[in-house]
Amino acid sequence: AQTVTQSQPEMSVQEAETVTLSCTYDTSENNYYLFWYKQPPSRQMILVIRQEAYKQQNATENRFSVNFQKAAKSFSLKISDSQLGDTAMYFCAFMKLGSSNTGKLIFGQGTTLQVKP
Amino acid sequence: ETGVTQSPTHLIKTRGQQVTLRCSSQSGHNTVSWYQQALGQGPQFIFQYYREEENGRGNFPPRFSGLQFPNYSSELNVNALELDDSALYLCASSLGAGVGNTIYFGEGSWLTVV
Repeated sequence: AQTVTQSQPEMSVQEAETVTLSCTYDTSENNYYLFWYKQPPSRQMILVIRQEAYKQQNATENRFSVNFQKAAKSFSLKISDSQLGDTAMYFCAFMKLGSSNTGKLIFGQGTTLQVKP
Repeated sequence: ETGVTQSPTHLIKTRGQQVTLRCSSQSGHNTVSWYQQALGQGPQFIFQYYREEENGRGNFPPRFSGLQFPNYSSELNVNALELDDSALYLCASSLGAGVGNTIYFGEGSWLTVV
């Protein structure tokens, strides 16, 4: 079974600074996707960034980038130039590929990020 | 806006009752998944429907059941409600069940069981 662990329940950062959220996962699968989702107070889960495990290059989306270490099973999210609108709960999630691919997301426990003015 | 709408947004039920939650997926999306998110926790996969058939199920008892209709809208039914069923229930839709398809979430239905 796959598990996803986020060891930082809460984090804070000053506006315009950089923050890194940690995520580790455990799987025996070789082919999978990893995701970071943002959940603001509206509760709607929004995709921030995703990484295909077969790609060595780290994914980047504007101010958001990941550090994907497949051997270490680590997948951290870096937010640069933090903005007040980044305040939210962030979830790391795993999805395996394969014949029984149901598109099932396995989420971590979440990290609450507060961006301070 | 993701185009995924859920109803009702909030509801309160008594232990032992039954509840039906509804989800209207984004136009053209034939795959719907349901997740349960307890307060302060990450969402947990309940089940997925693809073209009206159940296409995978998480570790939830049979009293959690679902339906997907020909227009791809979906229902989540929970019978014999327990206090631990109190949670945010999220619906997610995608075009196809494949992992390469972007998943869009609704804003959820808050269920409180008293």
